Amino acid sequence: KAGVTQTPRYLIKTRGQQVTLSCSPISGHRSVSWYQQTPGQGLQFLFEYFSETQRNKGNFPGRFSGRQFSNSRSEMNVSTLELGDSALYLCASSLRQGGNEQFFGPGTRLTVL
Amino acid sequence: AQKITQTQPGMFVQEKEAVTLDCTYDTSDPSYGLFWYKQPSSGEMIFLIYQGSYDQQNATEGRYSLNFQKARKSANLVISASQLGDSAMYFCAMSPASGGSYIPTFGRGTSLIVHP
Repeated sequence: KAGVTQTPRYLIKTRGQQVTLSCSPISGHRSVSWYQQTPGQGLQFLFEYFSETQRNKGNFPGRFSGRQFSNSRSEMNVSTLELGDSALYLCASSLRQGGNEQFFGPGTRLTVL
Repeated sequence: AQKITQTQPGMFVQEKEAVTLDCTYDTSDPSYGLFWYKQPSSGEMIFLIYQGSYDQQNATEGRYSLNFQKARKSANLVISASQLGDSAMYFCAMSPASGGSYIPTFGRGTSLIVHP
């Protein structure tokens, strides 16, 4: 069974631009969660989608948004990029909402110049 | 509010020896789950072990065991017979297990280096 895939793996953007990251969960998994990891703030939960609906949301500004499609694939969008958005963005999937065992993808390394 | 504290920024262990990574937590939720993840230098987070707050026995998964002491609010990870491939960052995390709100909180991590 294929693991969680994330595209692109690396991304360089400039301040003010927007970016869309993609995550394909493990087949059969309906929950997708997104995380931001930075040296300063550590690993922080962004949001979770289950059955195309956002179920949980972390403490991030509205510039961070996401969606989930009927095939459980998820996208995360960050608008009006700031230097502080440079981070590793991790996606994780699980069978059910708030699943105890999450399977993570390799991450997307975003650099904002 | 939830809080996870990992007080050891770095740990060193000899190959084949056991090592304990510390984790303490604070929460007002009556029911919660505790997790440990491993993050090698490649960046991908790997789920290791889970402990529910109402589980009577400590969780074990192969060489990993979770030493859960509820009264002390600690959930230490024990790795037995360390291997060179165990060198990585280790994160402790928790989340509520009831009420429909699942927002996990992660500790800052412990860097483990296994020496040959």
